[in-house]
Amino acid sequence: DAKTTQPPSMDCAEGRAANLPCNHSTISGNEYVYWYRQIHSQGPQYIIHGLKNNETNEMASLIITEDRKSSTLILPHATLRDTAVYYCIVRAANNNAGNMLTFGGGTRLMVKP
Amino acid sequence: GAVVSQHPSRVICKSGTSVKIECRSLDFQATTMFWYRQFPKQSLMLMATSNEGSKATYEQGVEKDKFLINHASLTLSTLTVTSAHPEDSSFYICSAREGGPTDTQYFGPGTRLTVL
Repeated sequence: DAKTTQPPSMDCAEGRAANLPCNHSTISGNEYVYWYRQIHSQGPQYIIHGLKNNETNEMASLIITEDRKSSTLILPHATLRDTAVYYCIVRAANNNAGNMLTFGGGTRLMVKP
Repeated sequence: GAVVSQHPSRVICKSGTSVKIECRSLDFQATTMFWYRQFPKQSLMLMATSNEGSKATYEQGVEKDKFLINHASLTLSTLTVTSAHPEDSSFYICSAREGGPTDTQYFGPGTRLTVL
């Protein structure tokens, strides 16, 4: 599976949009981009995923560049509860090799009042 | 989204004892479950992949005789830490694969193991 690069930390003001970037320049055509977050002492929470098109759900929006080499997770109105480590992971779906998610260092987002 | 539960959420045990952690997918069937371990201020590290009805596949450096995994049904996988020692103290997290075209993985809330 392709590796990803994320900034180690970011700050965001409460109520403002949080834009978390992720580089995945070696992504393959059949690999999806997944985003998870982990709030302290909890298991990772699924946020969103996409293949080529931009995606939006009740939690966030995912913007994937046309060449698919990078993406941005957008939390439109960040709250203090959004403070967490955010992980961007690329992985092929229905891969016979176990299909596990491999976690990198992620981005520690601190939402400040 | 799909829900994965773990039990117990927290356990403290004496060195040399064995501890069993249960992982259940509550509203979907999971042919594959994964067990991760997370030490303080580190990212999640995959320990093993658990397939229903077959032997688990362990990552390099993870002792299969120490971390026993049983995936007895499509909704339940268990991890038993045998003869636990203080260095096994960690946050253990299970994950279940939902399957389907995008194969999303959902995670349990984690189990904090402290070995005295």
